[in-house]
Amino acid sequence: SAVISQKPSRDICQRGTSLTIQCQVDSQVTMMFWYRQQPGQSLTLIATANQGSEATYESGFVIDKFPISRPNLTFSTLTVSNMSPEDSSIYLCSSVGTGTGGDTQYFGPGTRLTVL
Amino acid sequence: DQQVKQNSPSLSVQEGRISILNCDYTNSMFDYFLWYKKYPAEGPTFLISISSIKDKNEDGRFTVFLNKSAKHLSLHIVPSQPGDSAVYFCAATAGGTYKYIFGTGTRLKVLA
Repeated sequence: SAVISQKPSRDICQRGTSLTIQCQVDSQVTMMFWYRQQPGQSLTLIATANQGSEATYESGFVIDKFPISRPNLTFSTLTVSNMSPEDSSIYLCSSVGTGTGGDTQYFGPGTRLTVL
Repeated sequence: DQQVKQNSPSLSVQEGRISILNCDYTNSMFDYFLWYKKYPAEGPTFLISISSIKDKNEDGRFTVFLNKSAKHLSLHIVPSQPGDSAVYFCAATAGGTYKYIFGTGTRLKVLA
């Protein structure tokens, strides 16, 4: 499976600021995704990061709040904009494709965000 | 509406015994199911999956059983080891999409 890294691993941010999370895969992958895991909750898909085009957002998530970039087949960023304490979560990226050995999604280690 | 449910938030098992983690789903369109294991401060790690055309899939100490009529799947770990202590998530998807619906997880503790 591909090795997926995320930066930062954790951060504490002030209300109203923005944070950009980076996701790097060590091989080219077909698809990349961003998930959120709120405290005590399951993982929820935020969006599919599309290479060279706008991300596809799930119901309840919008581009203004969670802008996503994917400039190539190995890298993506997620920005959490105008943060509030309700945005405190673990944010995870995942990927699927030839570099990951099939159709299964593999996950990065996550970014633990705390908003004060 | 929680389409994938793991009703047991936690489970404790003695080392060497069987661990059985359960998962129920409501959407009959789901046709592919997965189990992930998550250690603290790490991302979920893929364990095992099963297609709806099967009722059992085995990989070493891990076996997943699928009961489509009951909309229920379970993960059996035999024998359980202390290193298996983690949070286990089941996930489901439909129609070859990559939109995974996750359960809320079950924390397994294997006691030495």
